[in-house]
Amino acid sequence: AQKVTQAQTEISVVEKEDVTLDCVYETRDTTYYLFWYKQPPSGELVFLIRRNSFDEQNEISGRYSWNFQKSTSSFNFTITASQVVDSAVYFCALIGNADMRFGAGTRLTVKP
Amino acid sequence: DGGITQSPKYLFRKEGQNVTLSCEQNLNHDAMYWYRQDPGQGLRLIYYSQIVNDFQKGDIAEGYSVSREKKESFPLTVTSAQKNPTAFYLCASSPRGRQIGTQYFGPGTRLLVL
Repeated sequence: AQKVTQAQTEISVVEKEDVTLDCVYETRDTTYYLFWYKQPPSGELVFLIRRNSFDEQNEISGRYSWNFQKSTSSFNFTITASQVVDSAVYFCALIGNADMRFGAGTRLTVKP
Repeated sequence: DGGITQSPKYLFRKEGQNVTLSCEQNLNHDAMYWYRQDPGQGLRLIYYSQIVNDFQKGDIAEGYSVSREKKESFPLTVTSAQKNPTAFYLCASSPRGRQIGTQYFGPGTRLLVL
């Protein structure tokens, strides 16, 4: 069975702080893909990144970075120097040989 | 511009009424999906379709029906059998098979029961 756990329900930071959103997954598939999506107040899910199970290199895109560690089944997301516009719900997701599974989401609030 | 459109943005359903949510994509994607999102929860898969005239049930298909007569369109009907339909409904599409294709989402439809 596939499962994604985002243990942090809500996080609140002050602008310019760094923040890390945790994602832990379970799967028996050897080939799988991990995703992060952002859901702003408007509701639409915005794709941020996709990672396959054979690529453990960390990735950086501007203020965003992702740390994929198969040894701990984690795919954590860090926002550096957070901004108010980063306020949203962030979802981690996994797809292997079954349907895509989403975590429950982490609501990030960035205060000015 | 390419994208996924969903209409209406808000939909009100009376008891015993069937309602249909529209989802259209012009991305030439093969697969399309319907998800339900309840407050404070992640997304749950209702139905998906990999090709025209074919679709499969997801985790919570009871009380819902779909059709896929055209590649671009994947409407979802919420039937009177769905006893708790109030939720946010998201449509998505992906360019390859469902197992690996990145899913792109529409803006969503919020369904409320009167």
